[in-house]
Amino acid sequence: GAVVSQHPSRVICKSGTSVKIECRSLDFQATTMFWYRQFPKQSLMLMATSNEGSKATYEQGVEKDKFLINHASLTLSTLTVTSAHPEDSSFYICSAGAAGRNQPQHFGDGTRLSIL
Amino acid sequence: AQKITQTQPGMFVQEKEAVTLDCTYDTSDQSYGLFWYKQPSSGEMIFLIYQGSYDEQNATEGRYSLNFQKARKSANLVISASQLGDSAMYFCAMREGRWSGGSNYKLTFGKGTLLTVNP
Repeated sequence: GAVVSQHPSRVICKSGTSVKIECRSLDFQATTMFWYRQFPKQSLMLMATSNEGSKATYEQGVEKDKFLINHASLTLSTLTVTSAHPEDSSFYICSAGAAGRNQPQHFGDGTRLSIL
Repeated sequence: AQKITQTQPGMFVQEKEAVTLDCTYDTSDQSYGLFWYKQPSSGEMIFLIYQGSYDEQNATEGRYSLNFQKARKSANLVISASQLGDSAMYFCAMREGRWSGGSNYKLTFGKGTLLTVNP
């Protein structure tokens, strides 16, 4: 079964709305989670690294005020797309890894965001 | 410069035949890891196989094997006995940089190869 749960799977909303996406690790504690963005027929681009109890680390070119990340617990990270516009429409996917456990990261099922 | 290069945007294979998906990488680190993921049209990322830079033997997982040629910096995925359900996007990814073990690492992905298995 899934070890990383991502919710919602699909969002359609009006321009100007803020959208929150949740990423939960289900059977392990994730001190670090990663948020990726994927445009149609393109690769996954890392947006930011979410660190439990501290500020997220954003990749170059990613607006931290636009994409707010909160990692308040060891099992939950949230990505909020603030005042979303049509150009923010994309597929957002998170992954989680556990320190001290040499396993591949687990990915959520992704969130398809459509801004009208 | 691209760190992960997948030169095949699309590949076709006949059911039950083997197929090789190419991946070359660029890193100056001695310690790194290479991953292959499968992404069906539904979007989820499915881990297939992993090769560490210090692993002496090529990784294998069921019908998946990794042809790791360190000197050439290539990590090609071989899928044997293709099935219709193998039709998907395949991504090669790399972990590099300082790593203290565990699974807290950033991944850099290639652009992917769309595999279509024909009946």
